[in-house]
Amino acid sequence: QVTLRESGPALVKPTQTLTLACTFSGFSLTTTGMCVSWIRQPPGKALEWLALIDWDDDKYYSTSLKTRLTISKDTSKNQVVLTMTNMDPVDTATYYCARTPAVGGNNWFDPWGQGILVTVSS
Amino acid sequence: DIQITQSPSSLSASVGDRVTITCRASQGISSYLNWYQQKPGKAPKLLIYAASSLQSGVPSRFSGSGYGTDFTLTISSLQPEDFGTYYCQQSYSIRTFGQGTKVEIK
Repeated sequence: QVTLRESGPALVKPTQTLTLACTFSGFSLTTTGMCVSWIRQPPGKALEWLALIDWDDDKYYSTSLKTRLTISKDTSKNQVVLTMTNMDPVDTATYYCARTPAVGGNNWFDPWGQGILVTVSS
Repeated sequence: DIQITQSPSSLSASVGDRVTITCRASQGISSYLNWYQQKPGKAPKLLIYAASSLQSGVPSRFSGSGYGTDFTLTISSLQPEDFGTYYCQQSYSIRTFGQGTKVEIK
């Protein structure tokens, strides 16, 4: 059974750096074709993909946020970490991680973690 | 980045109705298009991957079609549990989602 769980602070102040961890089980990020992504969703709004890391440690970022994001993995802990710098109230959202298998150039998000609501406020 | 235009933004339909949601990509994306269902307060769930492949465990009333720039998600006979918001997502380049379609049951 594949599971993912996000962890991190529920509240951060403007200008601070957010660090979120995704701890997973049921698959390995050392398996060829396996990736993990981060996606967020502001309250009442659409989903927004943020970043992806693959089995070969290649990293991909949202064009609009790439200067603020860093994704990394610790395969020994089955964990993927996302940092986002210079947080702003508009970054208030539920942040999800998801297993992202890569098959023939396509990849999709399945399954997802339950999500963690992060509020940015002073 | 590739833009995805999803329509309609919302719809209301009766149980048993055939429902169609469309996504149009700003450039050709082959079959690199996936569909998700999200219920209030829950994480999205994968329904269709690679434009037309049904994810395991998803009812067969859901189907997907399309290639290139135009894609469709069809619910052949709407059921009460199908309420929620549906999103398409492309993985041809930097991943992007459509804006979502909220489905309500009349």
